[in-house]
Amino acid sequence: GDSVTQMEGPVTLSEEAFLTINCTYTATGYPSLFWYVQYPGEGLQLLLKATKADDKGSNKGFEATYRKETTSFHLEKGSVQVSDSAVYFCALSDTQGAQKLVFGQGTRLTINP
Amino acid sequence: SQTIHQWPATLVQPVGSPLSLECTVEGTSNPNLYWYRQAAGRGLQLLFYSVGIGQISSEVPQNLSASRPQDRQFILSSKKLLLSDSGFYLCAWSVNLGKPQHFGDGTRLSIL
Repeated sequence: GDSVTQMEGPVTLSEEAFLTINCTYTATGYPSLFWYVQYPGEGLQLLLKATKADDKGSNKGFEATYRKETTSFHLEKGSVQVSDSAVYFCALSDTQGAQKLVFGQGTRLTINP
Repeated sequence: SQTIHQWPATLVQPVGSPLSLECTVEGTSNPNLYWYRQAAGRGLQLLFYSVGIGQISSEVPQNLSASRPQDRQFILSSKKLLLSDSGFYLCAWSVNLGKPQHFGDGTRLSIL
């Protein structure tokens, strides 16, 4: 079945550092890809998405490019802030039926001032 | 605009007691609805989804059940809770194909 693999956490960085969180997927067909963010004690919020190969999703300084050839959707940010501390989930969605999401295991990110 | 509400935010229940978590969506019609569970330190697991009133699909065998008595209401239930039912439960909704899911704030369930 479809699956998503994220880099193991936790990840700890200093403020203004460059961030990369790796995500690779296995899927039949052409899924949509998402990054969700979960701040402490809260539900998930959609951070960005890409619906086809070579699409780049971006939001709040974060970016991810849908790479079909490497089946990847890595999350990047050029300069992180303390407020970016959260758990980040990569997910894919098939484009049929009930549009079920398949999540990676999540990566906890902590940014130190 | 669309909003999703989950309650309660936190719940502490004894083993063997019943459970009812409610989720409602406002501002849209005929949404797809989902229940997820996030166990401590782990990712999200899809438990149930529904594409319409009275239509429930279960993803994993478990001690829980779901119902959709109204178009924008999704209920997660159990007759007798187990210790393993502890976790963070999230409700979500989506419009149809190609649209992302939107999550509620979750219910943290602790079983004693």
